[in-house]
Amino acid sequence: DTEVTQTPKHLVMGMTNKKSLKCEQHMGHRAMYWYKQKAKKPPELMFVYSYEKLSINESVPSRFSPECPNSSLLNLHLHALQPEDSALYLCASSQDTSSFGEQYFGPGTRLTVT
Amino acid sequence: TQLLEQSPQFLSIQEGENLTVYCNSSSVFSSLQWYRQEPGEGPVLLVTVVTGGEVKKLKRLTFQFGDARKDSSLHITAAQPGDTGLYLCAGPTSGTYKYIFGTGTRLKVLA
Repeated sequence: DTEVTQTPKHLVMGMTNKKSLKCEQHMGHRAMYWYKQKAKKPPELMFVYSYEKLSINESVPSRFSPECPNSSLLNLHLHALQPEDSALYLCASSQDTSSFGEQYFGPGTRLTVT
Repeated sequence: TQLLEQSPQFLSIQEGENLTVYCNSSSVFSSLQWYRQEPGEGPVLLVTVVTGGEVKKLKRLTFQFGDARKDSSLHITAAQPGDTGLYLCAGPTSGTYKYIFGTGTRLKVLA
């Protein structure tokens, strides 16, 4: 099973809402990632978790809060977002964070902030 | 800062034509991956190249890693409409766990 699942597929939220994005993988991977992708641009790394510990935060605003409850799950908690945060949010996983990191991506959550 | 520049940025060709996409950097990468992404979906891993000069084939797609591991190319033979998508090269930066993506090549194959 090489599948990474993400829920929800689409999300519309107001600037005062609190919502969460969820990601799950059952490949035994120990590294998980959140990316943000704006239209017609490549994905941009937001966070990296290695063995359930946050190892990289790419200076992401605090209105985005990641969480890794266990080795299979990754959440992204959203609060007080801005319209410019509207984007496709992608979760990915890899065996580990070694330099050979082939990543498997989920289908993404299309987020619209109104 | 390590960058991955892809060219061309856009490509529109007729079915049956051949094409090559380039991925270049001034830095050395320990490996490079190629992905294809369709609208509204996540990138799908196509291949990983690791050794300088390595060539890998995936049906009509041929991937090459430069001898100095600073560049890579993707060649598609007899393109088909199903090849349409955004092609992304990506690789791990040296010394960190950060992963960067190339600027992308948007391919459209017309029937």
